[in-house]
Amino acid sequence: QLQLQESGPGLVKPSETLSLTCTVSGGSISSSSYYWGWIRQPPGKGLEWIGSIYYSGSTYYNPSLKSRVTISVDTSKNQFSLKLSSVTAADTAVYYCARLVDQLSRPRWFDPWGQGTLVTVSS
Amino acid sequence: EIVMTQSPATLSVSPGERATLSCRASQSVSSNLAWYQQKPGQAPRLLIYGASTRATGIPARFSGSGSGTEFTLTISSLQSEDFAVYYCQQYNNWPGFGGGTKVEIK
Repeated sequence: QLQLQESGPGLVKPSETLSLTCTVSGGSISSSSYYWGWIRQPPGKGLEWIGSIYYSGSTYYNPSLKSRVTISVDTSKNQFSLKLSSVTAADTAVYYCARLVDQLSRPRWFDPWGQGTLVTVSS
Repeated sequence: EIVMTQSPATLSVSPGERATLSCRASQSVSSNLAWYQQKPGQAPRLLIYGASTRATGIPARFSGSGSGTEFTLTISSLQSEDFAVYYCQQYNNWPGFGGGTKVEIK
């Protein structure tokens, strides 16, 4: 059964870069049938897609975050990573990683999800 | 940008009753719509994709319908474990979520 696990610092200072890694187990990140993505959820609020990556390295980013986001993949470690630069308190959220189904060469729906990790931006 | 609007924000339902949740897209997304369930402290779980196809292991009491701009998630007979927040997500363009509907016990 495929499992995803987020890891990284739970506290980041304003203006610094948030860095998270998602480790995939029970399946290969190099599958041609899937994309891999990041989603966040501020406390008590809804879900926001951050971006997605294919094992080849091709990416899609949310236009509202694109200038600050970098998603990369390491197939040798079966991991993909998120970097979000110049963070502010508004970036405080639970960050989830998830697999996305590839349909017609585009990322589509999310299944399954990691358990999520809370990242707080504060000095 | 496609805006997804869910209604109502909160739905109060008694166990055993039927729940009907709505999701509207600001422009057509064809049948490129998914539904998720999220319980407190947990990650969302995929319920429906393709507007009406149940994901693996999802009970038959969950059903999805609609296309274009209007979609519905129906829970035919609410069980105690179904009280949660439900999100719709379009994937016609880059992925975008609705604001969620909380289904609470009446």
